[in-house]
Amino acid sequence: EAQVTQNPRYLITVTGKKLTVTCSQNMNHEYMSWYRQDPGLGLRQIYYSMNVEVTDKGDVPEGYKVSRKEKRNFPLILESPSPNQTSLYFCATRSGRSTDTQYFGPGTRLTVL
Amino acid sequence: GENVEQHPSTLSVQEGDSAVIKCTYSDSASNYFPWYKQELGKRPQLIIDIRSNVGEKKDQRIAVTLNKTAKHFSLHITETQPEDSAVYFCAASGMNTGFQKLVFGTGTRLLVSP
Repeated sequence: EAQVTQNPRYLITVTGKKLTVTCSQNMNHEYMSWYRQDPGLGLRQIYYSMNVEVTDKGDVPEGYKVSRKEKRNFPLILESPSPNQTSLYFCATRSGRSTDTQYFGPGTRLTVL
Repeated sequence: GENVEQHPSTLSVQEGDSAVIKCTYSDSASNYFPWYKQELGKRPQLIIDIRSNVGEKKDQRIAVTLNKTAKHFSLHITETQPEDSAVYFCAASGMNTGFQKLVFGTGTRLLVSP
């Protein structure tokens, strides 16, 4: 079964405590991306990756890091989380073609106190 | 870069009525326009998409139209049902980023009352 998984699904943490949200896909997709969703702002892209070791900034990359060491995994790293990073985060994947369907993971709700 | 505006932000209709959501985009080179539906507490899921070489596409009760000259596209839902209640997002893929990312609108909350 084609899947995009994220972990954890829910996380409450404190300011400054490093955290990682994992994203994994089993569809052999080249393209992976991270979005944050905030009320009234829609989905905003944080980072994306076209393939292993190839990553680039999206629209709101400040305060985030990513890595793509394996094709199936694309973790999102918050080195020093702050309250303004409280949000709902979605990982998404698609094949290499820009007009192919993009599939979203189940989401991670992060609260930074 | 690409900018996508979506209207209205909320839309309330009676069951059986039609609903129309409109989006405009800024990059005339954009060529891919998907629509996503997000039910409460769930992930966004693609419901229909259109490419720039097509003016209209239909799938049962939903249809999307594209006007490249005016740079806008619309989602049409006919014979709405309560299960159509959700947030709908439009998106566009632009040339400025080598078509490498989707830019989303801010969403429309559709409420269908029985």
